[in-house]
Amino acid sequence: NAGVTQTPKFQVLKTGQSMTLQCAQDMNHNSMYWYRQDPGMGLRLIYYSASEGTTDKGEVPNGYNVSRLNKREFSLRLESAAPSQTSVYFCASRRDLNEKLFFGSGTQLSVL
Amino acid sequence: DQQVKQNSPSLSVQEGRISILNCDYTNSMFDYFLWYKKYPAEGPTFLISISSIKDKNEDGRFTVFLNKSAKHLSLHIVPSQPGDSAVYFCAARVGGAQKLVFGQGTRLTINP
Repeated sequence: NAGVTQTPKFQVLKTGQSMTLQCAQDMNHNSMYWYRQDPGMGLRLIYYSASEGTTDKGEVPNGYNVSRLNKREFSLRLESAAPSQTSVYFCASRRDLNEKLFFGSGTQLSVL
Repeated sequence: DQQVKQNSPSLSVQEGRISILNCDYTNSMFDYFLWYKKYPAEGPTFLISISSIKDKNEDGRFTVFLNKSAKHLSLHIVPSQPGDSAVYFCAARVGGAQKLVFGQGTRLTINP
């Protein structure tokens, strides 16, 4: 029972490089989310997908794009990485609004 | 604009005693509150929640109290155990909204 799986776990990028963070859930959840965690800031929502085929911006969407590939998978793309995007990224999912969020174990990203 | 605030970055408590973690919010439209617990190198996991129609919710050693007039909630852990050492996030939601707003987190350390 894997839950929410994120890859990679660690990544180092140079400024201007691009990369995609992958997330997959096996719980048949409808909604999926990308958060970033920074010291002193808590978790902030980047983008979310309320259901397959839809995506919406969260609190801090600038510099990111997302794709809801199918019901299981929700990817986060950094087109041109900046040092300000150094953070820990968490993917989460839930069946509906009245249920709790399940989080993946995170991706630690450093942009030099 | 930090709508959910955890003003204590860290808290140290002796094993067996009570741990009290506090959280303040500014948005009076929040109607559902949650606490998440996070161990290093893992994603947050749901701990306990409370609806705004209640002022208390218990689950084993964990109790959450909500004071709507003060816009304040607290998490009580009794008795505290070494395994409770973690970062605790409070979060809040406006009814029907996809977004959970998180506080900055409080690092709880339980000393033997």
